[in-house]
Amino acid sequence: NAGVTQTPKFQVLKTGQSMTLQCAQDMNHEYMSWYRQDPGMGLRLIHYSVGAGITDQGEVPNGYNVSRSTTEDFPLRLLSAAPSQTSVYFCASSYSVRGYIHEQYFGPGTRLTVT
Amino acid sequence: AQKVTQAQTEISVVEKEDVTLDCVYETRDTTYYLFWYKQPPSGELVFLIRRNSFDEQNEISGRYSWNFQKSTSSFNFTITASQVVDSAVYFCALSEGSNTGNQFYFGTGTSLTVIP
Repeated sequence: NAGVTQTPKFQVLKTGQSMTLQCAQDMNHEYMSWYRQDPGMGLRLIHYSVGAGITDQGEVPNGYNVSRSTTEDFPLRLLSAAPSQTSVYFCASSYSVRGYIHEQYFGPGTRLTVT
Repeated sequence: AQKVTQAQTEISVVEKEDVTLDCVYETRDTTYYLFWYKQPPSGELVFLIRRNSFDEQNEISGRYSWNFQKSTSSFNFTITASQVVDSAVYFCALSEGSNTGNQFYFGTGTSLTVIP
């Protein structure tokens, strides 16, 4: 299993550009999430999904869109990049068994710089 | 309000010392899950442990141990005989389960430096 994969690993954007961060998992996990990590602020939830076709907003959703057309893929779209979106982005997946929550598996991260 | 508080921003210890990382959580749910993750300088997030609200047994894994106390809403992590390889940022996290879409709430992390 590849686990959770993210592409690209690094990206530089100009203000106003749009792009999509890719995330895929091959573990058939129902839950997927996107976080951003900024110095001193831990991991903050951007959007999450409880299954294909179902997404919801997390703590910091503004400026980002997601979709989940398949169980495997959960892309994050930046609509019009701003310098405040310079961050490291992590995708994660997890699962539950009879309501028992298991840990999140994280991708390697995408380091995004917006100039 | 913060659901997970890690009050220690940075800790430095000398190799072989013991160190405890504090984690205080807040939830009204009776069923919840607590986690610790390690983020070494290479940047990946490594899962360390999961604890359920209905299991207050402490756990030991090698040099690592975890003390879960519902009475004080704390889930502290102790490293015994610290080593340089333990230098990392450690995150505590809370999940209130599938009713909330399995959202994880992370603390702001504690940066541990082990000095040789």
